[in-house]
Amino acid sequence: GAVVSQHPSRVICKSGTSVKIECRSLDFQATTMFWYRQFPKQSLMLMATSNEGSKATYEQGVEKDKFLINHASLTLSTLTVTSAHPEDSSFYICSASEDRGNEQFFGPGTRLTVL
Amino acid sequence: LAKTTQPISMDSYEGQEVNITCSHNNIATNDYITWYQQFPSQGPRFIIQGYKTKVTNEVASLFIPADRKSSTLSLPRVSLSDTAVYYCLVAGGFKTIFGAGTRLFVKA
Repeated sequence: GAVVSQHPSRVICKSGTSVKIECRSLDFQATTMFWYRQFPKQSLMLMATSNEGSKATYEQGVEKDKFLINHASLTLSTLTVTSAHPEDSSFYICSASEDRGNEQFFGPGTRLTVL
Repeated sequence: LAKTTQPISMDSYEGQEVNITCSHNNIATNDYITWYQQFPSQGPRFIIQGYKTKVTNEVASLFIPADRKSSTLSLPRVSLSDTAVYYCLVAGGFKTIFGAGTRLFVKA
């Protein structure tokens, strides 16, 4: 149980385009989902926390207008990278939690490459 | 949020027991300690979680002293496939901040 999926697993896009990444909890209801970004050989960096039906809480330094997060249901959250640029190329990972303080279940990640 | 400190890297040989210690001096009363494993280009995978004393599951043991200011992840008889980055996280609520992690390299 407790499986989290991400789609797509990898995406290549041109500079200036927008890319949407989906995160789904397959067998549980996720009241909270988290989005992380990871650059090569670095740790995961929390970008934002989203609760179902409410606006996401962004970490300091993360532009909310550039990284749009929608958590419309208890099983789906989306991250849209708007007007992507090469510096946005990274590994994006989501995680989901059933309740406060509970274990986070991580998705497999999405490799974004912006040309 | 409690900050964690781990060794940057460790080397081991197949079949050995590996112990990775994490310091978290300002851990809060309601914080749990969780360890994750991450392979390249994959999401982190849950290994074990504990609050105090000792916790054991099928893959690892977690030792937490009484003051809870540190914890030790013990991997018995590691194999080449255990080569990965291991993260110690301390959190009691929604937010989770990853430290730098420990890069474990298992040699034949």
